[in-house]
Amino acid sequence: AQSVTQPDIHITVSEGASLELRCNYSYGATPYLFWYVQSPGQGLQLLLKYFSGDTLVQGIKGFEAEFKRSQSSFNLRKPSVHWSDAAEYFCAVGVTGRRALTFGSGTRLQVQP
Amino acid sequence: GAGVSQSPRYKVTKRGQDVTLRCDPISSHATLYWYQQALGQGPEFLTYFNYEAQPDKSGLPSDRFSAERPEGSISTLTIQRTEQRDSAMYRCASSPSTGELFFGEGSRLTVL
Repeated sequence: AQSVTQPDIHITVSEGASLELRCNYSYGATPYLFWYVQSPGQGLQLLLKYFSGDTLVQGIKGFEAEFKRSQSSFNLRKPSVHWSDAAEYFCAVGVTGRRALTFGSGTRLQVQP
Repeated sequence: GAGVSQSPRYKVTKRGQDVTLRCDPISSHATLYWYQQALGQGPEFLTYFNYEAQPDKSGLPSDRFSAERPEGSISTLTIQRTEQRDSAMYRCASSPSTGELFFGEGSRLTVL
């Protein structure tokens, strides 16, 4: 069965600094990969997705992620963090033949002024 | 509707009571999912519907949990004889054919 690991439970960055959130997955074939963001009191919102093709994926709010097959990773990046980016971020994996997504346990991002 | 709507947003119940949660998906979406999210964890799959069919309910933790979508639109998730371990956020999502999930704001269940 597929699994997702987000090794960082909590990250704090200063406003304007760059950000990288880590995601590693375990699956025998190429998965479908997603990043979702959850703000307090809100539902999860899709930031970006990878199905196939170009391994560098652009998303909303200035986020991007890179699929690295050799490292089984799909790390989320942003060059300059804004205070409004403070939220919880979830990486998720989907596999062919199964509609359900498997989510990681999340990384909570705190942004310092 | 414009987005996925869930009700109630908050539900407090006593152990042993039955609870029903409701989800109204985006009207053009055929697929509807239920996820359970414990505090500090990511969402965990419970079940999904394709219109009124329920092809996968492998994530339902016990036979106390059931879900319906009788007319292929609104869905309900019912938990019978609630237990404290059922306390969680229950999230509904709907999906177009492209596969990404659109989530509602969730229903937070607290079992005392």
